[in-house]
Amino acid sequence: EAGVAQSPRYKIIEKRQSVAFWCNPISGHATLYWYQQILGQGPKLLIQFQNNGVVDDSQLPKDRFSAERLKGVDSTLKIQPAKLEDSAVYLCASSRVGHRGGAPTDTQYFGPGTRLTVL
Amino acid sequence: SQQGEEDPQALSIQEGENATMNCSYKTSINNLQWYRQNSGRGLVHLILIRSNEREKHSGRLRVTLDTSKKSSSLLITASRAADTASYFCATVELQGAQKLVFGQGTRLTINP
Repeated sequence: EAGVAQSPRYKIIEKRQSVAFWCNPISGHATLYWYQQILGQGPKLLIQFQNNGVVDDSQLPKDRFSAERLKGVDSTLKIQPAKLEDSAVYLCASSRVGHRGGAPTDTQYFGPGTRLTVL
Repeated sequence: SQQGEEDPQALSIQEGENATMNCSYKTSINNLQWYRQNSGRGLVHLILIRSNEREKHSGRLRVTLDTSKKSSSLLITASRAADTASYFCATVELQGAQKLVFGQGTRLTINP
């Protein structure tokens, strides 16, 4: 079974530029997550999709971040314009089913991440 | 916001020794999960323990949960060099936002 794929693996941009990340989840996984992991910290959930609908985007800075999951399969996360504090690793994860009885109990499978450096 | 706090932040032991990492959290939870992250890679799910469970085992891993103290521990027995990684606990709250909230992690180094 292929894992979660992400591209690019590394990206260096200047502040105020735009950047996009791509994620292809494990085949058949209904739920897709984007996390931001700043150096020395644990991952922070940015947005969660169930199929092609948004379940939770409460921590997504919507003035500059956007994400979509067309057709309920792969997903893109965009930052426009980027700030210095956006430097982080952006992780994508997927799970078969996001919630049972309201709480995530399915294992989340993570991709290798995209390391973004904003200069 | 990050709910879990791991302790210690860094741990260095000799190969073959046991490693214990602790996690404390603030709110009532549905379940608590432990993940491992090797340098430059994504996270790997290790084990999930539900709020009505007190202990779970998986191979060389043993996880305990004390909901009265709002704490959990991860024990790795007979450590190996390949266990060198960062370990994160993540909680799912009982009420409110139903999502994984990660702690800041413990950096474990196994010396050969």
